[in-house]
Amino acid sequence: AQTVTQSQPEMSVQEAETVTLSCTYDTSESDYYLFWYKQPPSRQMILVIRQEAYKQQNATENRFSVNFQKAAKSFSLKISDSQLGDAAMYFCAYRRGQGAQKLVFGQGTRLTINP
Amino acid sequence: ETGVTQTPRHLVMGMTNKKSLKCEQHLGHNAMYWYKQSAKKPLELMFVYNFKEQTENNSVPSRFSPECPNSSHLFLHLHTLQPEDSALYLCASSQAGASGRRNNEQFFGPGTRLTVL
Repeated sequence: AQTVTQSQPEMSVQEAETVTLSCTYDTSESDYYLFWYKQPPSRQMILVIRQEAYKQQNATENRFSVNFQKAAKSFSLKISDSQLGDAAMYFCAYRRGQGAQKLVFGQGTRLTINP
Repeated sequence: ETGVTQTPRHLVMGMTNKKSLKCEQHLGHNAMYWYKQSAKKPLELMFVYNFKEQTENNSVPSRFSPECPNSSHLFLHLHTLQPEDSALYLCASSQAGASGRRNNEQFFGPGTRLTVL
């Protein structure tokens, strides 16, 4: 079975600084996707960034980027120029292959932005 | 309405009550999902429906009964729940199997906060 581990229950960063959230996963599949979701206090789960396992290039979305280390099964999220609106729970998630496949989530990291 | 909507947003029920959670997606997707988010466990999948057919049941107790009458609507019928069933129930949808890998992304609703007394 696939598992996702986030070893940092809480992180904090000063506004405008950079922070990195860690995630490791375990799978024997070769075709899979990795995601970072953000869940603010409103509880709405919002997709931040995604990475296809077959792509070597790290995904980026504006201030958000990932460091995908396939051999190490590591998938960290870097947030640059942190903003107050980035404060939320961040979940790393894994999905195998194609089609209607479930997401397997990590335990989450609560990110606090200090003004 | 756009995206994925869920009603009610909050629900308090006794252990002997029967209630239903409703999810509706306005994205033209063909797959829908129920997830449970409780305080002490990671988000976990409950059910997957693809083209109205249940394709995955993650060993969910029978006191939770899903229903998917069409690709746009998903229900979760609740009966004789236990206090430990109190959680946030999230619905999601995706366009499974379409060309273009981006179409497999799951979009979430705002959730129903359920409290069982």
